Amino acid sequence: AQSVTQPDIHITVSEGASLELRCNYSYGATPYLFWYVQSPGQGLQLLLKYFSGDTLVQGIKGFEAEFKRSQSSFNLRKPSVHWSDAAEYFCAVGLLSGAGSYQLTFGKGTKLSVIP
Amino acid sequence: EPEVTQTPSHQVTQMGQEVILRCVPISNHLYFYWYRQILGQKVEFLVSFYNNEISEKSEIFDDQFSVERPDGSNFTLKIRSTKLEDSAMYFCASSESGANYNEQFFGPGTRLTVL
Repeated sequence: AQSVTQPDIHITVSEGASLELRCNYSYGATPYLFWYVQSPGQGLQLLLKYFSGDTLVQGIKGFEAEFKRSQSSFNLRKPSVHWSDAAEYFCAVGLLSGAGSYQLTFGKGTKLSVIP
Repeated sequence: EPEVTQTPSHQVTQMGQEVILRCVPISNHLYFYWYRQILGQKVEFLVSFYNNEISEKSEIFDDQFSVERPDGSNFTLKIRSTKLEDSAMYFCASSESGANYNEQFFGPGTRLTVL
């Protein structure tokens, strides 16, 4: 069965500093990988996704993620964090299921705090 | 910008009572999902729904749970007899199609508290 591990529960960075959130997955086949962000009181919003091809994926809000098959990782990065990036970030693996739908298996999430 | 909405935002119920959580997916979407997140734990898949029937369900989604699309806009999750362990945040999601892992758009969630 697929699983996702986000080893960091809480990360604090200064505004303007770079950011890397870690994600490791366990999946038998080629993974379909996602990063979602959740701000307080809001639903989960898709930041980016990886299906195949270029292992460096660009997303919204200046985020990018790199798929590394050898390390079973899909880490999220941002070169310069803004105070508005404070939120909880979830990594997920997609598993295609019946009738063309797919289900997401999420990690536990990493809460990001930003110091002004 | 279209969004998924959920009502209520917080539901408190007594153990053994039935609850219905409501969701209004994005209007042209065809695939609908429920997930839940117990406090401090992972977001977990419950069920997917397409063409007026369940297309996939997890082992969590037992006979106490049911889903329905009663009209053209609402998508509901019913828990027939709530247990303490059903206390969680429940997220509804919808996607335009399943092809190419099209984005699942999530609602803000309903926090269910079972006393």
